[in-house]
Amino acid sequence: DVKVTQSSRYLVKRTGEKVFLECVQDMDHENMFWYRQDPGLGLRLIYFSYDVKMKEKGDIPEGYSVSREKKERFSLILESTSTNQTSMYLCASIGGAGGFYEQYFGPGTRLTVT
Amino acid sequence: DQQVKQNSPSLSVQEGRISILNCDYTNSMFDYFLWYKKYPAEGPTFLISISSIKDKNEDGRFTVFLNKSAKHLSLHIVPSQPGDSAVYFCAASARQTGANNLFFGTGTRLTVIP
Repeated sequence: DVKVTQSSRYLVKRTGEKVFLECVQDMDHENMFWYRQDPGLGLRLIYFSYDVKMKEKGDIPEGYSVSREKKERFSLILESTSTNQTSMYLCASIGGAGGFYEQYFGPGTRLTVT
Repeated sequence: DQQVKQNSPSLSVQEGRISILNCDYTNSMFDYFLWYKKYPAEGPTFLISISSIKDKNEDGRFTVFLNKSAKHLSLHIVPSQPGDSAVYFCAASARQTGANNLFFGTGTRLTVIP
């Protein structure tokens, strides 16, 4: 079974603090994704990566950056949090081209910025 | 601009009856469609998918129907069970472009009443 783990389930931060969310997958997947989920807005893609050190902006990259130094690890960085970044953050991974298009999700991190 | 739309934010169904969740899309390049189920405080889990070369895919109590001309797909759950109560997300991808990222709808909260 594919396993996608996220470093924290719940986080509470103050405005302006730095947040580092880590995601690890154990299936040697090339593609990894960061989404945020908000009520009424569904899942919105922040960034994705199709290879080590490669990254692509998703639909809402503003205020976020990412890092992919190793294949199994994809990190989402909020350099200076704001209250509008309070959300559920979901990481996902998927196999290589021609393979599954079923994204496997981690359990999510609920971030609250006060 | 929402390319995948779920116009019903919620749906209530009696146990044993059929649940029908609907999804519309606008991008004619989409050729692969998926349904995910999400419980509170958990990541989405894959439920069922369909390729654009098919118009129906069935897996146990779950059937997905695709109407390409109408750019519409639906998920049928029969019989519905209380454990099916969750938020259901429709997602689409354009595999023919080589892209792996998914576009998600805003979700439909299904409540199955015992």
